[in-house]
Amino acid sequence: EVQLVESGGGLVQPGGSLRLSCAASGFTFSNYAMSWVRQAPGKGLEWVSSISGSSALIYYADSVKGRFTISRDNSKSTLYLQMNSLRAEDTAIYYCAKDGATSPVIIFDSWGQGTLVTVSS
Amino acid sequence: DVQMTQSPSSLSASVGDRISITCRASQGISTDLAWIQQKPGKAPKSLIYAASSLHSGVPSKFSGSGSGTEFTLTISSLQPEDFATYYCQQYKIYPWTFGQGTQVQF
Repeated sequence: EVQLVESGGGLVQPGGSLRLSCAASGFTFSNYAMSWVRQAPGKGLEWVSSISGSSALIYYADSVKGRFTISRDNSKSTLYLQMNSLRAEDTAIYYCAKDGATSPVIIFDSWGQGTLVTVSS
Repeated sequence: DVQMTQSPSSLSASVGDRISITCRASQGISTDLAWIQQKPGKAPKSLIYAASSLHSGVPSKFSGSGSGTEFTLTISSLQPEDFATYYCQQYKIYPWTFGQGTQVQF
């Protein structure tokens, strides 16, 4: 059974940094692209970033480009999102999602339970 | 960016009803469209990809259709556990985008 468990969320001041993690199990992690999708309070889903199985292909939404960095450690079956220069509008639940292929095709077949990031002074 | 517009934004239905949700893309996306369900306070769950293919374990009461710019999610014989918000998502054109959601309530 696929399991995705996010961690690392919390309260951070504007301009601060946070690193999210997503521990994966139940599948061969290196064989699949992974993504981060976020949801602001009471709002819809927003794609944030994706990374291929080998880390060769990486994509970002314009809203986070230059501030967020996606990475993965296939030896630990863990996905990361380093978030710098955080803004109030980054406040959201961050979900990791498993893709259906090695390269990002953005067809999500499994989702984690999410971790809440709150950016506030 | 490809704008995904869902209609209606919310709908009221009864147990046993057959309902349909429409998703329109601002430009053609072939059949590169997914449908995602989210129950209140829960993580999203993927239902359909390639406009009409069900993910593993998704019951056949869910069906999808369409291509190009107009797509439909149909739920036959609505049950209480189907109370949720449904999102469409295109994965044809970067950046990948979601519809605003359709809330199905009883």
